[in-house]
Amino acid sequence: AQKITQTQPGMFVQEKEAVTLDCTYDTSDQSYGLFWYKQPSSGEMIFLIYQGSYDEQNATEGRYSLNFQKARKSANLVISASQLGDSAMYFCAMREGRSSNYKLTFGKGTLLTVNP
Amino acid sequence: SAVISQKPSRDICQRGTSLTIQCQVDSQVTMMFWYRQQPGQSLTLIATANQGSEATYESGFVIDKFPISRPNLTFSTLTVSNMSPEDSSIYLCSMGLAGYNEQFFGPGTRLTVL
Repeated sequence: AQKITQTQPGMFVQEKEAVTLDCTYDTSDQSYGLFWYKQPSSGEMIFLIYQGSYDEQNATEGRYSLNFQKARKSANLVISASQLGDSAMYFCAMREGRSSNYKLTFGKGTLLTVNP
Repeated sequence: SAVISQKPSRDICQRGTSLTIQCQVDSQVTMMFWYRQQPGQSLTLIATANQGSEATYESGFVIDKFPISRPNLTFSTLTVSNMSPEDSSIYLCSMGLAGYNEQFFGPGTRLTVL
């Protein structure tokens, strides 16, 4: 079974609007971390936001927020006020365990296109 | 944070040859990770490299095909052996750093096998 599921292969959004990218996960661990990375066409992996399984509040980083619903095992990324530079592939990932020395498991990704 | 460099940044190779990819980190780290990203696909972990011990390979990846070295806490290499066109991918190294939640990724090596 997939541990990270991203059901949206592609998404379109108008510039300055908000967009939500979906991510659901599956784990039996109590301690885990959820991540979102952005990958532009250059191929680099850019860390956006992190949510720990014990964090009670949703994570926010500037225009990025993570809608964490633990009971539903979902960790959706919300990008507010989209910009043309947000066009990229977005990956949801999970780490089972507390340390950053644990491996990441990635979803298949969502290709976001921001239209002017 | 951490600065990670990879060499080469890209290469075009002939089938049957081997390529060694280097990953250099500006901090001492215990674990380094090697991922493969095939065209249009997500990242898949190849192996975890722990300094001073044999690398741990994920299902579907074997040491004969992807030998890894980890001679010290700031450096690792991944070799792609006896390459075929199916090995055409981006190869990325990554690491965790104490005090940070995220893993830091190198810029990647784009490999094309003809």
